[in-house]
Amino acid sequence: GAGVSQSPSNKVTEKGKDVELRCDPISGHTALYWYRQSLGQGLEFLIYFQGNSAPDKSGLPSDRFSAERTGGSVSTLTIQRTQQEDSAVYLCASSSLGGYGNTIYFGEGSWLTVV
Amino acid sequence: GEDVEQSLFLSVREGDSSVINCTYTDSSSTYLYWYKQEPGAGLQLLTYIFSNMDMKQDQRLTVLLNKKDKHLSLRIADTQTGDSAIYFCAESGSQGNLIFGKGTKLSVKP
Repeated sequence: GAGVSQSPSNKVTEKGKDVELRCDPISGHTALYWYRQSLGQGLEFLIYFQGNSAPDKSGLPSDRFSAERTGGSVSTLTIQRTQQEDSAVYLCASSSLGGYGNTIYFGEGSWLTVV
Repeated sequence: GEDVEQSLFLSVREGDSSVINCTYTDSSSTYLYWYKQEPGAGLQLLTYIFSNMDMKQDQRLTVLLNKKDKHLSLRIADTQTGDSAIYFCAESGSQGNLIFGKGTKLSVKP
C-alpha cells in the first residue's frame, strides 16, 4: 500500500484478555518497528525487525509482549493477559533499510484501551 | 546510553517564530529527525538533517545542528494555528531504530 497500515485502529478489551495488533508495512520496506506511546508520554521503542535477522526485542516491557513478522512483511504484536497499564497507542513504522540514515514512516497507530 | 531530551511545552502567538530545542547523546547518529504529531494522529516525518550539515532549510522550517554540543533545533517561521502539534526530535540509534524524545507540545495562540 501507499503507507503503513495498522489494524484495528481502536480496540477496547477487558483486563486479562489477549490482543493482537496488526501492521502492514510499506511495500518493499525491509525494516519494521513497533513503538508504544502512553498518554502524555514520549515514544517507547518495543521491537525492531530487519530482513531475516533476529529481531531486536530489547524494548519489550515484559514476557506478555511478543511480536512476529511473517514472510518479511506483515507483523503482529501480541499482548497476553492485558493489564490496564498496557493502555496506549501502539505505533508501527517501516523503512527501506534499517540502520543509520533511513527515513522511518509511521502508521496511524492502534489505540488500545484495557478496562 | 542513548537519550534524547526536549522541553515539553512551547507557546507562541500566530505569526511569530517558534524554536523547538533538543539535545541528544549518541554522537555517532548519522541522521537526526523531526516528527510532527497532530491530535489523534500518527507521526509524520517533518524533516531530517544529515550529521555533516549545520543547517537545512525547507520552506518555513529551518533545522540547525550543533554537533559539538549535540544540540538540534527546529525553527518554524510565521507560525500558524495549524502548526499546533507535538514535535518529536529523534536520533538514529545503534540498533537501527530511532530514539525519540518525549515531544514538545506547541500551542499557537491567535
